[in-house]
Amino acid sequence: EAAVTQSPRNKVAVTGGKVTLSCNQTNNHNNMYWYRQDTGHGLRLIHYSYGAGSTEKGDIPDGYKASRPSQENFSLILELATPSQTSVYFCASGDLDRGSYEQYFGPGTRLTVL
Amino acid sequence: GDSVTQTEGQVTVSESKSLIINCTYSATSIGYPNLFWYVRYPGEGLQLLLKVITAGQKGSSRGFEATYNKEATSFHLQKASVQESDSAVYYCALSGAMLSGSFNKLTFGAGTRLAVCP
Repeated sequence: EAAVTQSPRNKVAVTGGKVTLSCNQTNNHNNMYWYRQDTGHGLRLIHYSYGAGSTEKGDIPDGYKASRPSQENFSLILELATPSQTSVYFCASGDLDRGSYEQYFGPGTRLTVL
Repeated sequence: GDSVTQTEGQVTVSESKSLIINCTYSATSIGYPNLFWYVRYPGEGLQLLLKVITAGQKGSSRGFEATYNKEATSFHLQKASVQESDSAVYYCALSGAMLSGSFNKLTFGAGTRLAVCP
């Protein structure tokens, strides 16, 4: 069964530290996405990718970088973590499939920056 | 830009009662929006509840249904009789091919937390 997995599931980091969130998909989708979810804001798009080697800025990219080394893997990188980046992060993959632009989500990573 | 509005942040309903969660949208950069309801159960990730890609059509799943109303720009979620296991956060979202030709993007509402009381 097609799936999106994320690691770690929970992470505690210190202010100023580097954090890498990883995502793997077996859907063979070209597009992958990173969102953060905060109470009252729904999910907001941080970065996305059209395929291996491509990364694009989403709606709230400041403070984040992304890396797509392969079709299957998409990482989100916080070079200098700040407490404002405490959130739940979701990775997703998706393509146009039978006329629908559905996305498939991973289980989420809860990040706490102290 | 595109936006999705869910007016209720939290809804509390007694078990076996009916439910409606409101969703309206604005799609200015998408030619033919697809509309979705995603659900997040406690401790789990987002999963698709239902989707409708054609205006005027109704989608249904697990007793929930929603109709894509293009004239009213609405996609309200309804269920005739809720169960305690329906307690979760529900997100309305839209996506589709961008008029600019760039990628498809999901735009989410803020979410509605449903609490079903026994």
